[in-house]
Amino acid sequence: GQQVMQIPQYQHVQEGEDFTTYCNSSTTLSNIQWYKQRPGGHPVFLIQLVKSGEVKKQKRLTFQFGEAKKNSSLHITATQTTDVGTYFCAGKGSSYKLIFGSGTRLLVRP
Amino acid sequence: GAVVSQHPSWVICKSGTSVKIECRSLDFQATTMFWYRQFPKQSLMLMATSNEGSKATYEQGVEKDKFLINHASLTLSTLTVTSAHPEDSSFYICSAIQTGDRPQYFGPGTRLTVT
Repeated sequence: GQQVMQIPQYQHVQEGEDFTTYCNSSTTLSNIQWYKQRPGGHPVFLIQLVKSGEVKKQKRLTFQFGEAKKNSSLHITATQTTDVGTYFCAGKGSSYKLIFGSGTRLLVRP
Repeated sequence: GAVVSQHPSWVICKSGTSVKIECRSLDFQATTMFWYRQFPKQSLMLMATSNEGSKATYEQGVEKDKFLINHASLTLSTLTVTSAHPEDSSFYICSAIQTGDRPQYFGPGTRLTVT
């Protein structure tokens, strides 16, 4: 079945450093969504990418969708302590279901 | 917009009892609602998909007689964990969508502890 792999599993950075998490799907996706989950909280929708090669920015966050629509990345520039949490990608294939990646835990040292 | 509520936020119950969790879309009509389970430091595992007025579709390995799902209206879905056991202790999260390609919006989750 469809699988979504996400790396790294966790990353510990110094505040001000950049951070990137990567997602790879075993199949072509119709869209990919990114969510952030704070410790003890629930996933919060960040963005949805639909088009091949699409790049979207939200302040310090940059999201990319690969040309083949099988991979995606989230890059955070100059991390802040408020960026702490687990970032999940979730791919949507031909069915209605979202397949979640394993998540990347981001820890930021002040 | 796109607010999903979940009740209760946490519950402790004794082994053998049943627990009902409600999921409501507050400001939109949800054609489909999803139920997930999440263990500590792990990803979300889809348990079932529910559409208003029809039977839920369960993922492989999820016991439909144990996890009863009812989607009574376009704004309400319920998950009942029947005859709960300690291994059912987990974080249960629902999500809802308006139409097929829209993002899923998640409820705040319910932390279930079975003693």
